[in-house]
Amino acid sequence: AQTVTQSQPEMSVQEAETVTLSCTYDTSESDYYLFWYKQPPSRQMILVIRQEAYKQQNATENRFSVNFQKAAKSFSLKISDSQLGDAAMYFCAYRSGISGGSNYKLTFGKGTLLTVNP
Amino acid sequence: EAGVAQSPRYKIIEKRQSVAFWCNPISGHATLYWYQQILGQGPKLLIQFQNNGVVDDSQLPKDRFSAERLKGVDSTLKIQPAKLEDSAVYLCASSPAGQQNSPLHFGNGTRLTVT
Repeated sequence: AQTVTQSQPEMSVQEAETVTLSCTYDTSESDYYLFWYKQPPSRQMILVIRQEAYKQQNATENRFSVNFQKAAKSFSLKISDSQLGDAAMYFCAYRSGISGGSNYKLTFGKGTLLTVNP
Repeated sequence: EAGVAQSPRYKIIEKRQSVAFWCNPISGHATLYWYQQILGQGPKLLIQFQNNGVVDDSQLPKDRFSAERLKGVDSTLKIQPAKLEDSAVYLCASSPAGQQNSPLHFGNGTRLTVT
């Protein structure tokens, strides 16, 4: 079974600075998908960014980018120019690349609580 | 498009009582998931439906939890009888069928407190 590990329970960053959240995963599959979700106090899980394992290029969405190291099974999230609204729980998630059935589910890490200081 | 709808938003019950949660997925999404998120942890899949059929319920405590998705649209998750350790946020999510790179879309969840 695949596992996702987020080793930083909490992180803090000054407004306008850059912060990196870590995520590692364990899988024997070669094709898969990785996601970062944000969960503010409203509890809704909001997609931040996604990465397909077959793509070598790191995904970028505005101020959010990832550092995907397939060999190391590492998938970190970098938030540039941090804003107060970025404060939330951040979850890393894995999905199998094998199509069908229960392979569509996401397996989540335990999360990292990000605090943004003004 | 309308998002995933869940109700109620909050529920407080005593142990051994029963409770039900409702979810309405995004229109056209064939796959529906129920996740349990205990405080301080990541969401854990309880059950996954494809249309009105169960795909994965390996983590569902079947002695007390049940779920159904009649007609392949709305879904209900029930707990009977509830235990203290069932206190958690219950998240419903949906996604289109057959699209591995499509993210899950989540509702706002139901926070359950069992006293």
